[in-house]
Amino acid sequence: EVQLVESGGGLVQPGGSLRLSCAASGFTFTNYWMSWVRQAPGKGLEWVANIKQDGSKKNYVDSVKGRFTISRDNAKNSLYLQMNSLRAEDTSVYYCAREAPTSGVPDFWGQGTLVTVSS
Amino acid sequence: DIQMTQSPSSLSASVGDRVTITCRASQGISNYLAWFQQKPGKAPKSLIYAASSLQSGVPSRFSGSGSGTDFALTISSLQPEDFATYYCQQYNSYPLTFGGGTKVEFK
Repeated sequence: EVQLVESGGGLVQPGGSLRLSCAASGFTFTNYWMSWVRQAPGKGLEWVANIKQDGSKKNYVDSVKGRFTISRDNAKNSLYLQMNSLRAEDTSVYYCAREAPTSGVPDFWGQGTLVTVSS
Repeated sequence: DIQMTQSPSSLSASVGDRVTITCRASQGISNYLAWFQQKPGKAPKSLIYAASSLQSGVPSRFSGSGSGTDFALTISSLQPEDFATYYCQQYNSYPLTFGGGTKVEFK
C-alpha cells in the first residue's frame, strides 16, 4: 500500500524556521519525482516545489525561492522541505505528493501537515 | 506564470445531474492539464491527467476534454460521493499552477 506521511508542522513565529518531512512507503521511492503542495486555510491549492528522482533538479514557486529548500534522502525514502524566514502567508497545510512517471501529475498525496506562522 | 481560471466557482446540483466545470489557461498548454477532487479535511485525489486520461480507479462517469486553453471536466451522472471541490492544474510549464476551484454542492 502506498503511503506518504508528513510530519514536522506546528506553530512558528514570523522569521522562524521549520523542517517538514515526508516518509514514503509501499513504492519504489527512487522512481518518482516528488512535490510539495500547500493550501492556506479555506483557500485553494498552491504548488510549492518539486524534486527529481536523484535530487539533481529542483523547481520552486517564486514566493518561496531563496527561503525554502526541497531535498530528499533516497536511502531513507524521505522527502523534506526546509522552510526559513517564514511569513504569515506561509500558513497552510503542506501536502507531500508523488508524481506519476508518465505524466508528471501528482497521483498520490499524503494527508498533510499544518504549518502556522504567527506571533 | 500561466493563470488558470475555473468556472463556476460553485454550483448546486442533484444526484443524477450532468455537471460540467470549465478551466481556461491564460496561454496555450497543449493537453498538460490535470483535474483533482478534494473533500473537506482530506487530501486531494487525482482524477484526470493529459486533459482526458482517467487515473486508475476513477469511475467512468468522470471525463475530461479540451486542449490549448479551454478544458472541461464532466460528471455524467452526479453521485452522492461526488460532492466536493474540484481543481484543475496546468503542468505545461513552471511554476505549476492550479485553478481557484469549483465547489459542487447539493441542491
